[in-house]
Formats: sequence, C-alpha cells, structure tokens
Amino acid sequence: DAKTTQPNSMESNEEEPVHLPCNHSTISGTDYIHWYRQLPSQGPEYVIHGLTSNVNNRMASLAIAEDRKSSTLILHRATLRDAAVYYCILRRDNAGNMLTFGGGTRLMVKP
Amino acid sequence: DTGVSQDPRHKITKRGQNVTFRCDPISEHNRLYWYRQTLGQGPEFLTYFQNEAQLEKSRLLSDRFSAERPKGSFSTLEIQRTEQGDSAMYLCASSLAGGAGVGEQFFGPGTRLTVL
Repeated sequence: DAKTTQPNSMESNEEEPVHLPCNHSTISGTDYIHWYRQLPSQGPEYVIHGLTSNVNNRMASLAIAEDRKSSTLILHRATLRDAAVYYCILRRDNAGNMLTFGGGTRLMVKP
Repeated sequence: DTGVSQDPRHKITKRGQNVTFRCDPISEHNRLYWYRQTLGQGPEFLTYFQNEAQLEKSRLLSDRFSAERPKGSFSTLEIQRTEQGDSAMYLCASSLAGGAGVGEQFFGPGTRLTVL
C-alpha cells in the first residue's frame, strides 16, 4: 500500500487557519485521500476525503495537488476543540476498504 | 445514541486470562472492523466482517484472537491466554459497504485493555 508522510506535530493559534500537509508520492490512480482525526480519549472520526479535485465540507477543506503526490487539510478557523491527531490515509478501492493509519500529525491549538 | 458502542470501556486482566469485548455497530451498517491501537501509534487493522462473514484477517491477528459476528449484528473479539503485549486500545468501526470513495467508517470509543 502507498504510504503517507506527515509532520509529527504542529501548533496553531485559536481562530487562525491551519494547513496540515501530507505527502503521498507513491499514490496510485485508484487511491482516495482520506483524513480522519482522533480527539483525546476517543475513537477516530472522519473529516473529509477526495480523489482529484479539491473538496469542502462543514468541517474542513481538502486541497489536492495536481499530480496528487501531496495534499493539505485546511481548518479555516481553529478552535480548542480541533486539538487532535490528524491522520492522512490513502484508501485503495479494494474489497475491504480498511484504513491504514500512519503516525498522524498532533495538532495543538493555543488560546 | 445511535453511534457505535463498545463494552467494556476498560478491562484489566492478569496475564494468561481470556477476555472478550463486544461491539455494537450502527444498525444499518453491514461492515464491521476491528482495529488495535497502542500508545502513541495510529490504529492498526485486525479484521473485518461483511454481514456475518469474516472476510479478511491481518497478520497481527494471532491464533489467540478470534472474532465473531453472529447474525451480522454485534461482534465479539476474544483474546485467549492474554500477554502483556496485548495491552492496547481495541477499536471497533462500522460502515456501509462501498468503494474507497464512500463508506465512511464510524468508530466506537474503544476498549482499553491492560494486561498485568
């Protein structure tokens, strides 16, 4: 499976935008880019996903590079509740569609 | 609450004992996944079911581990002869069947296992 590379940690100030990068240089044409996040003491939760085009939802935006070798999760206005570990996952369109998590990026939000 | 639930939330056991965890998925979801997460790491896939059929098992799932999903509803994960290395958070997730572009997985809160 193709791997992703994310910074171990990032810091942000409350109410400022946050850009969380992810590199996936070995991505294949059928891999979808998914983002999940895990708040302290909780299971992961889905954030957003995309294939080629940029995507927006109520939680975040996903910007995908034209060559698809990298992507960026954008939180438009960080809140203290956004402090979590963010996982960038390449999800191959296979029978099980299980998620392969890496180490993720721990986002700290300062008041 | 209509989310994924797991029971118990915490389990402390002595090495060599058997433990069983339960997961109740979102009712209309036909896929159910088990993951394991150790401290500081991302979750690792263990196994998944589509309805009552167990369709894939990770190499992480040793023969001491067994999972069932009778009648395609709730699932149980049993660990026999627990070892200290089994200490981890065991996460359950459910989803509708679909390709990688759909089928968002909904996770439960996990069962934290401590083996003394």
